[in-house]
Amino acid sequence: KQEVTQIPAALSVPEGENLVLNCSFTDSAIYNLQWFRQDPGKGLTSLLLIQSSQREQTSGRLNASLDKSSGRSTLYIAASQPGDSATYLCAAPGTALIFGKGTTLSVSS
Amino acid sequence: DTGVSQDPRHKITKRGQNVTFRCDPISEHNRLYWYRQTLGQGPEFLTYFQNEAQLEKSRLLSDRFSAERPKGSFSTLEIQRTEQGDSAMYLCASSFEFGIGELFFGEGSRLTVL
Repeated sequence: KQEVTQIPAALSVPEGENLVLNCSFTDSAIYNLQWFRQDPGKGLTSLLLIQSSQREQTSGRLNASLDKSSGRSTLYIAASQPGDSATYLCAAPGTALIFGKGTTLSVSS
Repeated sequence: DTGVSQDPRHKITKRGQNVTFRCDPISEHNRLYWYRQTLGQGPEFLTYFQNEAQLEKSRLLSDRFSAERPKGSFSTLEIQRTEQGDSAMYLCASSFEFGIGELFFGEGSRLTVL
């Protein structure tokens, strides 16, 4: 049974910092992993989808890596901005996509 | 295409009433998923459809919950005899058929049971 854990649960940083969000999963027989962003009271926005054949995927200031052997993925955010403040969710395939509880990021100006 | 749409966005009901949510997926997507999310938690899988066939149901989907996807287009999620514990955000997502491809979510339907 797939289980997804995200650390830390919350993170506060000043504007401009580079930061790393961590995600671990128990079943490494995955074919992809997806990162989402969720603003308060809103739905989920897909940020990055990493296929199992890839080790990294980049979109703008975001870079996600995947290490299936260790059951880990990281989301790297460069030069953080107040607009990046949101909850970031990692999801790995199980019966359907299985989600972690998310990391709530607050970027202060 | 305008993405996944859900209706209503907010629903307030009294305990014991029935409620129905509707989801319109991205038109070319074969798969449609329902999730439930409570405050501070990640989305929890409820059920999914491939075209009109309901292929998987979570143990979270009690007998009071029923989902349909007639003709493989839009889907409805009905909750009968609502309980206060049903208060949550109900999220719909869709994807292409092959494996579990990239999921695209709607804005969700927030249910409050008084």
